[in-house]
Amino acid sequence: DADVTQTPRNRITKTGKRIMLECSQTKGHDRMYWYRQDPGLGLRLIYYSFDVKDINKGEISDGYSVSRQAQAKFSLSLESAIPNQTALYFCATSHGSYNEQFFGPGTRLTVL
Amino acid sequence: QKEVEQNSGPLSVPEGAIASLNCTYSDRGSQSFFWYRQYSGKSPELIMSIYSNGDKEDGRFTAQLNKASQYVSLLIRDSQPSDSATYLCAVSSGSARQLTFGSGTQLTVLP
Repeated sequence: DADVTQTPRNRITKTGKRIMLECSQTKGHDRMYWYRQDPGLGLRLIYYSFDVKDINKGEISDGYSVSRQAQAKFSLSLESAIPNQTALYFCATSHGSYNEQFFGPGTRLTVL
Repeated sequence: QKEVEQNSGPLSVPEGAIASLNCTYSDRGSQSFFWYRQYSGKSPELIMSIYSNGDKEDGRFTAQLNKASQYVSLLIRDSQPSDSATYLCAVSSGSARQLTFGSGTQLTVLP
């Protein structure tokens, strides 16, 4: 089945550490997104990419960076993790003009 | 600031009843509207998309869109305990068609 996968699924790290979250997809979609979800705040967009050479900041990009290594791979990095980056992180993909987005299983990140 | 508002709930309905979930949005230029279902600890799952005014039915789900009132709703007929989840409303707008999500409505269907 065409799918969106995320690694790792769970990660506990310490303040100041560099963390990379990875997303891969076999859907053949051109667009990829990173969101974080916090209780009561819904999903907020961190970064999005329409193709390998087109990367854009979302609503809450401070403290994060991304890399689109290939059409199918989109990584999110926290250069120096801080406790308020503790959240659920989701990758999503889409294609077409209506922008229906399909989500990966998520990564639960805890920063101590 | 584009806003999408949902009643946070929790909303409880008995099994077999109709559950009605509501969403309003601030950007009058919004183009596409989505409902996602999210079980606790899981990722959002797309269940309905609607792009034009009126109703769209898919099985037990009906999405309703009224662009003049900036209002979109989701009706779940014959609610089942397995429908218990948080329902997220998402609205696409702007040249990049970014999605803005509401904070979700928690639905509980009581056996």
